[in-house]
Amino acid sequence: GAVVSQHPSWVICKSGTSVKIECRSLDFQATTMFWYRQFPKQSLMLMATSNEGSKATYEQGVEKDKFLINHASLTLSTLTVTSAHPEDSSFYICSAPNGLAGSGETQYFGPGTRLLVL
Amino acid sequence: AQRVTQPEKLLSVFKGAPVELKCNYSYSGSPELFWYVQYSRQRLQLLLRHISRESIKGFTADLNKGETSFHLKKPFAQEEDSAMYYCAPSGGSNYKLTFGKGTLLTVNP
Repeated sequence: GAVVSQHPSWVICKSGTSVKIECRSLDFQATTMFWYRQFPKQSLMLMATSNEGSKATYEQGVEKDKFLINHASLTLSTLTVTSAHPEDSSFYICSAPNGLAGSGETQYFGPGTRLLVL
Repeated sequence: AQRVTQPEKLLSVFKGAPVELKCNYSYSGSPELFWYVQYSRQRLQLLLRHISRESIKGFTADLNKGETSFHLKKPFAQEEDSAMYYCAPSGGSNYKLTFGKGTLLTVNP
């Protein structure tokens, strides 16, 4: 089946530093990937849509200069949290759709990356 | 605006009892409807989608366009069904999902 990986699985960094999170589709190509943020005991909040070959589309209220997204290839999207602060600490999850067009694209989710900013 | 309502944050049943997780949506156009599940310490995964009309792990969900509902049902709950369940409509050319707040189902022995 379709597998999505994320790296790293967890990261601790100092306030003010930047952190890059990778999302890879291992056995399928994804022209689109999605980045979510999940707070403890809460639902997933969509942050942005990563588009291969073009700019990412950010949801309302998400700072594009804070959360840089680069869709480098058909199997890789990266999320960089720039100048991280403690309030950026969260669980970041990516997903990629895979399926037959018109039959209901299924999203495949990565295992998530836990970010702790000290 | 797209909106998904899962009214029950927590749902607790005994093993063997029927279970219904409610989902109502407000969505422009004709969305695809999905249920995703997250078991403890596992990633989010697809449970079922309305377009395939299948039963997965004994769960079914019927799309009621008139009531804009997509409730998830299982006649006899099992302990291994304990998990977080998310209802999610999807639409648009990029199949973006809108997640409900989720329902934490606990099946007691």
